[in-house]
Amino acid sequence: EVQLVESGGGLVQPGGSLRLSCAGSGFTFSSHWMSWVRQAPGKGLEWVAKIKQDGSGKYYVDSVKGRFTISRDNAKNSLYLQMNSLRAEDTAVYYCARVSSSGGGSADYWGQGTLVTVSS
Amino acid sequence: DIVMTQSPDSLAVFLGERATINCKSSQSVLYSSNNKNYLAWYQQKPGQPPKLLIYWASTRESGVPDRFSGSGSGTDFTLTISSLQAEDVAVYYCQQYYGTPPHTFGQGTKLEIK
Repeated sequence: EVQLVESGGGLVQPGGSLRLSCAGSGFTFSSHWMSWVRQAPGKGLEWVAKIKQDGSGKYYVDSVKGRFTISRDNAKNSLYLQMNSLRAEDTAVYYCARVSSSGGGSADYWGQGTLVTVSS
Repeated sequence: DIVMTQSPDSLAVFLGERATINCKSSQSVLYSSNNKNYLAWYQQKPGQPPKLLIYWASTRESGVPDRFSGSGSGTDFTLTISSLQAEDVAVYYCQQYYGTPPHTFGQGTKLEIK
């Protein structure tokens, strides 16, 4: 069974940093692109970042470029999101998602999410 | 960046009736070399992560009931629920995954029972 489990969320002050982790199991982690998607309280989904299977390709939404870094450790079946210079508008549930190997860039499995709250 | 616009923002349908949600992209998401539309539909119920329903605009994900169907090409797409069930109450999102990211989502359509 495919599972994605996020961790690392919490309360952080504006300007602070946080590192999110996502542990994958039940599939060959190194064979899939992986993504982070966020959802602010009561709002819609926002695509945040995506990383290629070997980590050589990384993409970000403009609003996080230069502040967030996506990375992965295929030996540990883990995906990460390093978030620096956090702002109030980064407050959201952050989902880790597996990119489908047959469905193009669609995300076929999602974690339950981890809540990041940026507030003083 | 490609902007995805869904309509309506909310929708109320009687049980057993048809529900139709529209999604329009600011540029075509049809890749001519393989004739595929890079468009997915997701369902999100309260307190849950999104669930993939449809990819390639019209291919149903494994396990998704056949009352869900996707159609459209280029810039205009539709998600149809042929006979609304109580468990279909959710927010529905379209997403484009054409070319270089960002792979943007629509703003969502809230589906309720009338």
